[in-house]
Amino acid sequence: DSGVTQTPKHLITATGQRVTLRCSPRSGDLSVYWYQQSLDQGLQFLIQYYNGEERAKGNILERFSAQQFPDLHSELNLSSLELGDSALYFCASSLRGEARDTQYFGPGTRLTVL
Amino acid sequence: DQQVKQNSPSLSVQEGRISILNCDYTNSMFDYFLWYKKYPAEGPTFLISISSIKDKNEDGRFTVFLNKSAKHLSLHIVPSQPGDSAVYFCAASARDTNAGKSTFGDGTTLTVKP
Repeated sequence: DSGVTQTPKHLITATGQRVTLRCSPRSGDLSVYWYQQSLDQGLQFLIQYYNGEERAKGNILERFSAQQFPDLHSELNLSSLELGDSALYFCASSLRGEARDTQYFGPGTRLTVL
Repeated sequence: DQQVKQNSPSLSVQEGRISILNCDYTNSMFDYFLWYKKYPAEGPTFLISISSIKDKNEDGRFTVFLNKSAKHLSLHIVPSQPGDSAVYFCAASARDTNAGKSTFGDGTTLTVKP
């Protein structure tokens, strides 16, 4: 158990809809990361937050947005969903949000868009 | 442009033998490398890392080798055990940023046969 929790575990929705994925970081960690893993592919970095502020941005679509709240939990919002958005979405946390930090991953949310 | 490549999607070895997983990168700014292990239905877990100032780092049965001139790293597992069967991701990061994002390869599925 990494200490990172993600809800929900599974999400099935239709094209055009909007969903919110939630992540609670490990106790004491200030930075949160979001990754997308499509079928048989690696983890694509989406976005990183540190203590409530956006720190780094990857290939995150404009239809996607995220935020980190004062209690350090984070939410990833996916809107106008398309079939291609079906994937595993992982949240990770680390202590300082620096390059040498070990990232601790949650179990992921499996999103299926029908 | 995939900056971190794991060219072998899968690897099968016999229990007790050596497993060698390979990873190539293209971005010369990467100076910190990590290996993560992922079991089905779980998030990736950190395994071992290496800084670019070293060419080898060892932790028990796991050793990572870094060849900077070739932009290549490898993970050696000796001896391999059936419990090592998992997907292994290579990841790289650049310290010269104010962020902790890592770029991941697509993973190699290791199967260790009893």
